[in-house]
Amino acid sequence: EVQLVESGGGLVQPGGSLRLSCAASGFTFSRYWMTWVRQAPGKGLEWVASIQEDGSAKYYVDSVKGRFTLSRDNAKNSLYLQINSLRAEDTAVYYCARAMPATGEDYWGQGTLVTVSS
Amino acid sequence: DIQMTQSPSSVSASVGDRVTITCRASQGISSWLAWYQQKPGKAPKLLIYAASSLQSGVPSRFSGSGSGTDFTLTISSLQPEDFATYYCQQANSFPYTFGQGTKVDIK
Repeated sequence: EVQLVESGGGLVQPGGSLRLSCAASGFTFSRYWMTWVRQAPGKGLEWVASIQEDGSAKYYVDSVKGRFTLSRDNAKNSLYLQINSLRAEDTAVYYCARAMPATGEDYWGQGTLVTVSS
Repeated sequence: DIQMTQSPSSVSASVGDRVTITCRASQGISSWLAWYQQKPGKAPKLLIYAASSLQSGVPSRFSGSGSGTDFTLTISSLQPEDFATYYCQQANSFPYTFGQGTKVDIK
């Protein structure tokens, strides 16, 4: 059974940092692109970033470029999102998802809540 | 970036109704479109990929069509468990943008 479990969310002050993690199991992690999608409270879905199977290619939405860094450790079946210089508008549930290029995200974690507030 | 526009933003329907949701891309995306269902407090669920391919395990009352810039999600006979919010997403080029969502609620 495919499982994705996010962790690392929490309350952080504006300008602060967090590192989100996603632990994957039930599939060959190294064979899949992975994606982070976020959802602000009461709002729609926003694609944040995707990373290629071997980590060689990464793509980000413009609003997080230079502040968010996506990485993965295939030996540990783990995906990471380092988020710096946090802003109030980054407050959201962050979902980790398995991605199929040009197709969509077929498995999702339960999400981890990031709240940016003083 | 490619903008995705869904309509309507919300629809009220009854069990057994046929429901159609449309999604328009700001530029051509071939058939690289996915549809998701999301229920409150839950992660999204992939329903349709490549515009018309049904994801494994998804009931056949869900169908997708379209190519280029105009796409449609149809629920042929609405069931109680289908009341949810639906999103389209283009997977043609990064950033993979979502539509704003369509909420299907009980009439």
